[in-house]
Amino acid sequence: ESVLTQSPATLSLSPGERATLSCRASQSFSNSLAWYQQKPGQAPRLLIYDTSTRATGIPARFSGTGSGTDFTLTISSLEPEDFAVYYCQQRGNWPALTFGGGTKVEIK
Amino acid sequence: QVLLQESGPGLLRPSQTLSLTCTVSGGSIRSPGHYWSWVRQHPGKGPEWIGYIYYSGSAYYNPSLRSRASLSMDTSRKQFSLNLNSVTAADTAVYYCARSVHESVDSTGYPTPYFDYWGPGTLVIVSS
Repeated sequence: ESVLTQSPATLSLSPGERATLSCRASQSFSNSLAWYQQKPGQAPRLLIYDTSTRATGIPARFSGTGSGTDFTLTISSLEPEDFAVYYCQQRGNWPALTFGGGTKVEIK
Repeated sequence: QVLLQESGPGLLRPSQTLSLTCTVSGGSIRSPGHYWSWVRQHPGKGPEWIGYIYYSGSAYYNPSLRSRASLSMDTSRKQFSLNLNSVTAADTAVYYCARSVHESVDSTGYPTPYFDYWGPGTLVIVSS
């Protein structure tokens, strides 16, 4: 079973700063990964799929890169509404799907 | 705009069966390349995929829950459902229904699903 490890667990930054979030897979089942944003009391919202494709309506400040077992979500300049928890998700050994444990981006 | 809404009991006793239904509106439940999923989230944890079902009735499950979970679909009502039997306190979580997109494949030839629409979620508590 593939395990997705996200780091850091918490990222303390100020608005306008750059955020770099990491997601590492224990095994390489797929070169494709998705990222979600979740705010308290809400369902996750799709940000990025197929590693680097922004979902409909997602601002260009969100970008995804990676391959193999290492993937990154970058927020180029944090806006106040970006402070939230972010999860990565990937297909493991078909048909299983796995989520990471999350990175909380908090206001410094 | 696809909308999903979960419904079902919010409180269960241990050993009972959790039954949730998701109603889909604003889109077709029979659309090719789209599966209909259940995901749960324990407090303070990452989401956990439970399973997904296609409009044809084909269903796939998380191996850790396969022995207790069952998905079904009623295309005429635009609904799909989750049954999870023999619940314990460990099944206490927020349960989401979601649409998963299976349109892309990677170099292995398998789909690379992701979830594009989610319901608001429903809290299910298992307690005696």
